[in-house]
Parts: sequence; structure tokens; C-alpha cells
Amino acid sequence: QVLLVQSGAEVKPPGSSVRVSCKASGGNFRTNAISWVRQAPGQGLEWMGLIIPVFPTTKFAQRFQGRVAISADESTRTASMELSSLRSDDTAVYYCATGNPNGLVVWGKGTTVTVSS
Amino acid sequence: DIHMTQSPSSLSASVGDTITITCRASQDISTYFAWFQQKPGKAPQCLIDVASQLQSGVPSRFSGSGSGTEFTLTIASLRPEDFATYYCQQYYDYPWTFGQGTNVEMK
Repeated sequence: QVLLVQSGAEVKPPGSSVRVSCKASGGNFRTNAISWVRQAPGQGLEWMGLIIPVFPTTKFAQRFQGRVAISADESTRTASMELSSLRSDDTAVYYCATGNPNGLVVWGKGTTVTVSS
Repeated sequence: DIHMTQSPSSLSASVGDTITITCRASQDISTYFAWFQQKPGKAPQCLIDVASQLQSGVPSRFSGSGSGTEFTLTIASLRPEDFATYYCQQYYDYPWTFGQGTNVEMK
């Protein structure tokens, strides 16, 4: 059974960067895609991008291109997402999720990122 | 991008009712399709993957069907714990996209 444990809540000023981590236990870390999905307050789900650690391959939603970086460390079974040039509308809960090997079958509990001066 | 349209956006139902939520994709996505349930303050939970494959631990009153561009989620004999928001999602092509959600509330 795969379990994803995410890092804790962050408060960041506008213009800064935030890094959220996601540690996986169980499952095949190398070949399962790990996605990042965010949810702004009161809004729906928005897929940001993914990484397949074995290659590694990354894919991103166009609106985040150039502002988001996704990486994976096989030795620690940890994926990370860094979002730069933060704006107030980046305030959201950020989830990591993994598939078998594709899709969003297992989710982390989410990390709240608040962008505020 | 592939656009996913859910209907209805919200619905009111009673315990014991059978409800159906529909999701339409803007292009053929085969069965690269999933349904999720989300309760307030919680992470989404995958209910159904590959359009009709029930995830482990999900009650059998949930069922999914469809392929191509039309998909349905049916919840039979609605229970109190089923009142939540439901999302559809395609993973046929990047970017993966979600429907706007269906809020199932108690009548």
C-alpha cells in the first residue's frame, strides 16, 4: 500500500518561492508517475505537472511552465515541487498524488501554502 | 487541452436515493478516466480508475461506466457519508484535466 507524506504548511511573501516535498513509502517509486495538484480556497482541482522518476520525465500544465520545477530523489523516495514568483492567487492546498503507474490513485494529505505579505 | 464537463454542478438527494453524475470529454479519451470523491478539508479519494475499475476499499454501491467521451458515476442507495463533492478527470493527454465538480448535498 502506497503512502504519501507531505511537508508542512508554508507562509510566503509575494515574489518568493516555495518548495513542497512528498515522501513515498511502498509501491514502485521509480516507475509510478507522481503528480502535483492544487486547490485554491473554494475552488476545484487543478493539475500542475508530474514526474516519472525512472527516466526522469516531467510534464507541466502550460500555465505553470517556467514557474514550476518538479524533481525526485530515488534514494529518499521523495518528490518535490518548487513554485517561484509567488502571487496571492497561488494561495492553495497543494497535493501530491501517484498512480499505478499512471493516474492519481493515491494522494497525500495536502500542504497549505499561503502567499501573504 | 481536453475539457471535461460535469453535470449537474450540484444535486440534492436523500439517503437511499440512487444518483448519477455525468462527465463529458471534449475529445475521445478512451478509458483514461477517473472519478474522485472529496469531503471538506480532506484530500480527494480515487473511487474509480480506468473508467469502471473500482478502487480497493470503495463500496460496491459506487459504479462507473463509459468510454470515449461520455462517462457516468452511479451511486446506489446513497448513504450519509456519500454527501461530498465528486470530480471527474482524464489522463489520456497532457495536461491532465478535471471536471468542475458536482456537489452532492442532502435534501
